Amino acid sequence: QQPVQSPQAVILREGEDAVINCSSSKALYSVHWYRQKHGEAPVFLMILLKGGEQKGHEKISASFNEKKQQSSLYLTASQLSYSGTYFCGTGDSNFGNEKLTFGTGTRLTIIP
Amino acid sequence: DAGVIQSPRHEVTEMGQEVTLRCKPISGHNSLFWYRQTMMRGLELLIYFNNNVPIDDSGMPEDRFSAKMPNASFSTLKIQPSEPRDSAVYFCASSSNRGRSYGYTFGSGTRLTVV
Repeated sequence: QQPVQSPQAVILREGEDAVINCSSSKALYSVHWYRQKHGEAPVFLMILLKGGEQKGHEKISASFNEKKQQSSLYLTASQLSYSGTYFCGTGDSNFGNEKLTFGTGTRLTIIP
Repeated sequence: DAGVIQSPRHEVTEMGQEVTLRCKPISGHNSLFWYRQTMMRGLELLIYFNNNVPIDDSGMPEDRFSAKMPNASFSTLKIQPSEPRDSAVYFCASSSNRGRSYGYTFGSGTRLTVV
């Protein structure tokens, strides 16, 4: 089953913070996060592995709670370049490079 | 590296015609994935290969779809015969399982329109 993301869409002013949630009904070994701009391919942001780790770079970070089968993506002090649709991709096996099931997507719009 | 290369970028074809989409993964990546993206269904996995071997094709809609990976640097997705409901953006992605820190690198996609 497809992971469920919330919210479906959000509009922020530049400099505001956002949280995007990803929830799965299946046990997870990994969660990936991608950003897709209109008319372009999804671009990899980060991967989180089983173990409840938290990762981040610059102003984008994420957490993974495998007991709750949930992950959250945090964007702080948002910039115009953060606009796009964010997808989580969940992996349910610990075999090397497993297939991902992508979530429903969250459309983020940053306005000046 | 040039990234994952897909061709063609756009394809418009008539219902009933055969369509072949092509993908060249990143050199050294040993996993290749074909996804389809539509507004209604989002990103759906069609099939994936590991070391050129098909591992899971459960997402292939029906027998009209077939995929091959004859070597590590080339894969094709074929639809025969095509139908209007096949209209979508088809993405190819590759990744490496040498260390689990790597995500997918997607190609630019092929926008398929079947009329």
